[in-house]
Amino acid sequence: KAGVTQTPRYLIKTRGQQVTLSCSPISGHRSVSWYQQTPGQGLQFLFEYFSETQRNKGNFPGRFSGRQFSNSRSEMNVSTLELGDSALYLCASSLQGTELNTEAFFGQGTRLTVV
Amino acid sequence: KQEVTQIPAALSVPEGENLVLNCSFTDSAIYNLQWFRQDPGKGLTSLLLIQSSQREQTSGRLNASLDKSSGRSTLYIAASQPGDSATYLCAVPTGANNLFFGTGTRLTVIP
Repeated sequence: KAGVTQTPRYLIKTRGQQVTLSCSPISGHRSVSWYQQTPGQGLQFLFEYFSETQRNKGNFPGRFSGRQFSNSRSEMNVSTLELGDSALYLCASSLQGTELNTEAFFGQGTRLTVV
Repeated sequence: KQEVTQIPAALSVPEGENLVLNCSFTDSAIYNLQWFRQDPGKGLTSLLLIQSSQREQTSGRLNASLDKSSGRSTLYIAASQPGDSATYLCAVPTGANNLFFGTGTRLTVIP
């Protein structure tokens, strides 16, 4: 079955702009999480959605937001982009997403460059 | 607060050698631990998930162990190949579909 699909794969944006990234989870998976990966900070959790509700949020400013649709597809949005937002953004899908069953499957990521 | 450490940060080995990657975590109250592989600029590929009730999990040339009491997990790679070159990450859950990652070990297998 198809894996986790993230679009687009690459983006270049200018400071101050906003950007929307998309993630389609594995069919049947209801939990979607987003992570930011940078050379300096490693992989950091942004937020998690389950059945269209945000259940967890990491320590990121309010410029980072997300949503999940009824078909479990998720989008994340970053407003007022800063140079420091340049990173690889990864989406992970999980069947239920509980701590007891958190096997996560990742997409290929979206590489965002802010200039 | 959970901390996950992976040592060494980088490792180079000749092809064919067996090797062990280490992962240490401070909070032993985990339900499972997952090992991933990441190729440069790419996403993460899940390798093995070990439940807290298990001590070992095997997939092909890979074997992962988990010792909750000591806060350690190891990933053993047998008969390494150049295609195994990648960064290996361990992660533990800290909430629903919320993984806390180690900093990774960058492995280079020299032909």
